[in-house]
Amino acid sequence: AQSVTQLDSQVPVFEEAPVELRCNYSSSVSVYLFWYVQYPNQGLQLLLKYLSGSTLVKGINGFEAEFNKSQTSFHLRKPSVHISDTAEYFCAGTGFQKLVFGTGTRLLVSP
Amino acid sequence: DAGITQSPRYKITETGRQVTLMCHQTWSHSYMFWYRQDLGHGLRLIYYSAAADITDKGEVPDGYVVSRSKTENFPLTLESATRSQTSVYFCASSESSPRGGGGGRTEAFFGQGTRLTVV
Repeated sequence: AQSVTQLDSQVPVFEEAPVELRCNYSSSVSVYLFWYVQYPNQGLQLLLKYLSGSTLVKGINGFEAEFNKSQTSFHLRKPSVHISDTAEYFCAGTGFQKLVFGTGTRLLVSP
Repeated sequence: DAGITQSPRYKITETGRQVTLMCHQTWSHSYMFWYRQDLGHGLRLIYYSAAADITDKGEVPDGYVVSRSKTENFPLTLESATRSQTSVYFCASSESSPRGGGGGRTEAFFGQGTRLTVV
């Protein structure tokens, strides 16, 4: 079965610290991978996507992710987080005709 | 305004009632999706549609019905609402198959969500 696993349900971090949100995908999922962000009471918006080419993908708001085929991972990183980055982050991958989402990671940034 | 809109944003209904959640997109995207979001489960696909008059079940379709008579609309109906269907529902659309190909953009665009409470 297709699956995307987010290893941490919640990640607390202090402002200006680096952060990594982990995502692993099953090999049956297509190698099209995405990270979405959901701010409180809002829908999801795309942070970045990997379709092909360079394995290091840069997205909006200073986030980047690295596609690692050998480890079947697509971890999201930011070198210095802001309070405004507090949100839920979802990793997703493409299965046949549909997106498969992970269960989400809540990033909590405190002063 | 271009985009994808859901209505209503909030809905309270009683057990056993039929309720329909609306979704409208202005991009003429071929693909549309309905997800429900629940704590601990992330987003789970209910139904999706590859084009008008073509729909298919997702991961959790029981108790839901969809239709797609027009490309831009994809309503979700709960035939007889149950408390377990209390959730936040998201509609999404995508220009091409999420599997990509053909040079189309593959990411999905989401509506603002509908918070449904079944009492």
